[in-house]
Order: sequence, then structure tokens, then C-alpha cells
Amino acid sequence: QVQLQESGPGLVKPSQTLSLTCTVSGGSISSGSYYWSWIRQPAGKGLEWIGRIYTSGSTNYNPSLKSRVTISVDTSKNQFSLKLSSVTAADTAVYYCARGAGLGYDYWGQGTLVTVSS
Amino acid sequence: EIVMTQSPATLSVSPGERATLSCRASQSVSSNLAWYQQKPGQAPRLLIYGASTRATGIPARFSGSGSGTEFTLTISSLQSEDFAVYYCQQYNNWLRETFGQGTKLEIK
Repeated sequence: QVQLQESGPGLVKPSQTLSLTCTVSGGSISSGSYYWSWIRQPAGKGLEWIGRIYTSGSTNYNPSLKSRVTISVDTSKNQFSLKLSSVTAADTAVYYCARGAGLGYDYWGQGTLVTVSS
Repeated sequence: EIVMTQSPATLSVSPGERATLSCRASQSVSSNLAWYQQKPGQAPRLLIYGASTRATGIPARFSGSGSGTEFTLTISSLQSEDFAVYYCQQYNNWLRETFGQGTKLEIK
């Protein structure tokens, strides 16, 4: 059974960089034709796709966030990571990592709340 | 950006009855549409992909239909555990996946 777990600081100051890591267990991040995504959800609101990475290192980002987002992968640790720079209060949300295969997202992490505040 | 519009925002249905949720895309997404269920404090759960294929372990009372711009999620006989928020998602625009704003299914 594949499991994903987000980790990282729950509080980030405005203008700083948000950094999160997703650890994949129960299977190799490199196996199968999957990609690995970050999705966020502000409190009481809907879901916003941030971007994805393939284990080849190829990435796609949401154009609305592209200038601030970097997603990377470390196959040796079975992890992938998110960096979002120059954060503001509008970036406060629950951040999810998820596995995709072009058929929706079948496995999700439990989510981690990141609050942007001084 | 493909805008996904879900209706209604809130749907009140009694247990045992049928629920029909709608999702409309601002342009065709072919059959590249998924439905998710989300309960408070939990991650979304994949129900349907390819507009009509149930994901692994999803009960047969959940069914999806539609293609192009109009999609429907039907829950044939509501169980207590089905009351949640439901989201549709298009993945046809590979470079910008988008979700609907959600339909809250509540007990009548």
C-alpha cells in the first residue's frame, strides 16, 4: 500500500520561502508511469493544483504560481519537495502531496497546514 | 485556464435517496475528468476517473457520466458515510489541472 507523508514547517514568515517534503513509502517513487504533485487548499475553500514532477526530473507548474514554485525529486530518498518563494498570507493553506498517472490522483498525503504570518 | 463549475453548491438529500451532482467545464475536457470525495480533516479520495470509471474499492452506488463539457456524479442510494464535499477535476489541460469549487452533500 503506497503512503505519502508531508513534512515541513507549519509557520512561515511573509516574504520567506515555504519548503515541504513528501516521503513516499510502500513502493518506489521511480516505479511505474507516475508523476508526483503538490495541491493546496485554503481553509474552507477548493483545491488548487500547484505542479507536478516526474522521476526523470521533468516538471510542470501552475502558470499562476510558476515564477515562485520549484518542485524537485530525490529518488534515493523516495521523496519529492516543494519550494514556494516570496510567500504572503494568501499562501496559507493545507498542502497535499499526491500521486498521479493521468487518471486523477489515487494516493494522497494527509495534508499539512502551512500558515504565513509574522 | 479551464474553469470547472459545480452545481449545486449545497445539496440536501435524505439517506437512501439518489443524489445527482453536476460539473461543467468552460471548454471540452473530453473524458479527462475525475471526481473526489472529501470529508472534514481528510484528504480527497478518488472516486471516478475517465469520467465514468470507478477507482479501486469504490462502491457501485457511485457512478459517473458525461463527456466534453457536461458531467454528472450519481450516488444511487445515499449512505451516512457519503455525506461530504465532492470535487470534480479536469486533467485534459495537462499544463494546468483545475478543480471545481465543490458541492457539499448534506443530510436532509
